[in-house]
Amino acid sequence: NAGVTQTPKFRVLKTGQSMTLLCAQDMNHEYMYWYRQDPGMGLRLIHYSVGEGTTAKGEVPDGYNVSRLKKQNFLLGLESAAPSQTSVYFCASSYPPGLAYAEYFGPGTRLTVT
Amino acid sequence: AQSVTQPDIHITVSEGASLELRCNYSYGATPYLFWYVQSPGQGLQLLLKYFSGDTLVQGIKGFEAEFKRSQSSFNLRKPSVHWSDAAEYFCAVGRLGEGKLIFGQGTELSVKP
Repeated sequence: NAGVTQTPKFRVLKTGQSMTLLCAQDMNHEYMYWYRQDPGMGLRLIHYSVGEGTTAKGEVPDGYNVSRLKKQNFLLGLESAAPSQTSVYFCASSYPPGLAYAEYFGPGTRLTVT
Repeated sequence: AQSVTQPDIHITVSEGASLELRCNYSYGATPYLFWYVQSPGQGLQLLLKYFSGDTLVQGIKGFEAEFKRSQSSFNLRKPSVHWSDAAEYFCAVGRLGEGKLIFGQGTELSVKP
């Protein structure tokens, strides 16, 4: 049982480049989330999914897209990276609220955009 | 507006001393409340959570938290801090029936020998 895993762990992009971050969970969780963490700002929700084939916007969705084609995977895409997207990105997953709800986090991806 | 406030950005305590980290929330519905810990370069680990019932909840690593509805607070406590507790601590709140959490800005804990 690996929990929540993220690929890659580190990445450096040039402005305007694109990339996809992969999140995988093996806990059969319905809900999955992408957060970004910036100094002094805690974690802010980018997008989330309440089940396979669904996605929804969070607090800071601009500049990102997501897909949930399989229940166990949640992809975060940056189509045209900007320096403001330099951050640490965390994926999380959970059962729906009311079913022992708590979010389980991956180890993070540190992204630098130059 | 929904929000979580952790008033203390950084706290330093001596090893063996007691600890209390503050968390206040503003939420329009019955909240789920959480405390997470993040060690440097790591992801977040759940310390404890409150859904309903007994307002004093016990968590891992000897931590506990008390929910006070009248004060909109969910403070984290530990009677005796260990050097390994040095980390950043995040309070978070979720709404009954929803899946997403709102996080506070975090409190960084340093432990003096």
